[in-house]
Amino acid sequence: DGGITQSPKYLFRKEGQNVTLSCEQNLNHDAMYWYRQDPGQGLRLIYYSQIVNDFQKGDIAEGYSVSREKKESFPLTVTSAQKNPTAFYLCASSTGTSSGANVLTFGAGSRLTVL
Amino acid sequence: KQEVTQIPAALSVPEGENLVLNCSFTDSAIYNLQWFRQDPGKGLTSLLLIQSSQREQTSGRLNASLDKSSGRSTLYIAASQPGDSATYLCAVRLGRDDKIIFGKGTRLHILP
Repeated sequence: DGGITQSPKYLFRKEGQNVTLSCEQNLNHDAMYWYRQDPGQGLRLIYYSQIVNDFQKGDIAEGYSVSREKKESFPLTVTSAQKNPTAFYLCASSTGTSSGANVLTFGAGSRLTVL
Repeated sequence: KQEVTQIPAALSVPEGENLVLNCSFTDSAIYNLQWFRQDPGKGLTSLLLIQSSQREQTSGRLNASLDKSSGRSTLYIAASQPGDSATYLCAVRLGRDDKIIFGKGTRLHILP
């Protein structure tokens, strides 16, 4: 089945440590996205990528980094510079605006807790 | 800067009622608008997508409308059921760069 796989589902980190969240898709989508969700809040865009080897900052990119070396993969690193990293992280993908209906499809999410 | 607002933030209605959720956006230059459902602790499930050239989309008991010129979309849910209880989010895609911005959602509770 086609879809988006995020791992790990739950992650605990000590303050000062970097952590990388994995996002893999087999939908052949060009565009991929990372969002952060805090309790009772909507989704805020961290980074997005329209094509391989290219990505753009979203509204809350500080303290995060990404890479897009392969079409299928868009890992997110939460660095020690992120002041309040405890949150629910969601990865999504879609076709680009140049093709398709552009339905945004989500993974199941990764919940990061900083101890 | 594009901003997306959803009103109300929370809504409780008795089972069987029809209801409307609202979504507004500040910049009408959108490529499309998508409605999602989110259950607690889960990812998002797509409900309906409306392209900028369309006025509405329907799926079962759900109907979404789009008025791009006024910056508004509504999600109409007919004959609500307890299983409809969830958070509903709308998102707009900016055509120029594939950026997708979300509202904060409406938390819906259907009373049995």
